[in-house]
Amino acid sequence: DIVMTQSPDSLAVSLGERATINCKSSQSVLYSSNNKNFLAWYQQKPGQPPKLIIYWASTRESGVPDRFSGSGSGTEFTLTISSLQAEDVAVYYCQQYYSTLSTFGQGTKLEI
Amino acid sequence: EVQLVQSGAEVKKPGESLKISCKGSGYSFTTYWIGWVRQMPGKGLEWMGIIYPGDSDTRYSPSFQGQVTISADKSISTAYLQWSSLKASDTAIYYCARVASTGPFDTWGQGTLVTVSS
Repeated sequence: DIVMTQSPDSLAVSLGERATINCKSSQSVLYSSNNKNFLAWYQQKPGQPPKLIIYWASTRESGVPDRFSGSGSGTEFTLTISSLQAEDVAVYYCQQYYSTLSTFGQGTKLEI
Repeated sequence: EVQLVQSGAEVKKPGESLKISCKGSGYSFTTYWIGWVRQMPGKGLEWMGIIYPGDSDTRYSPSFQGQVTISADKSISTAYLQWSSLKASDTAIYYCARVASTGPFDTWGQGTLVTVSS
C-alpha cells in the first residue's frame, strides 16, 4: 500500500490568515505518461460526507473558492487556504489514487 | 444532478448479517466505478474497495478483503456492501462514492451508520 502521512494532525489559524496542510506519500504518485500527480484533497465538515476540493494535486473542483490551492509533486504535497474563513473549519484529507488500491491520509483538523 | 442515495441506519447484534445499499442516479451507473469508505467513530477515512457496475469487476483493500463483500445490480443502479457476520468493531459510518473519470471520488452518498452492539 502507498502510505499517506499528513501534518500537522491539527491546526489553529486566525480568520483571514493562511492555513497550510502537508501530505507526504510513501512513494511517488506522479504518473510519468501524462505528468499528472494522482493526489486529491477533501474537506469534511461535522456530520457531512467528504467533499472533493482539489484533484490532480492542484486542480480545483468546480465551485470551490479560489482561496483553496494545491501544490507539490512526486511525494510531497500542500493544501493552502490563503485567507481562512469561518466556513473552512473542517477536517481535511489527502488521497492518492495512483494505485488501484487507493489510500487516505489520517486527516488534519483545522480550527479557528 | 448526479446523486448517490444510501440506505438508512442499522442496529445489529454481533454475528448477524447485513447488506447496505447505494443507489445512483443522474448519470450512467454502469460506466463509473463506485467505492466504499469506512469512517469509524471520531476517526479518519478508510478506503475499502471499489466495483465497476458494468461488469462487477471488484477490488478490495487488503484490510477489508474477506471481511466484506462489494456487489452491484446494474439493472437498478445500486451498489451494495455486505457482511456475513458483524463484529462490534464494524460500528462505523459507511460512505459510497463515485470515482470520477479523473480518478478521485467526486460524488458521495450521505453515509449509512452501522451500529453493532449486543
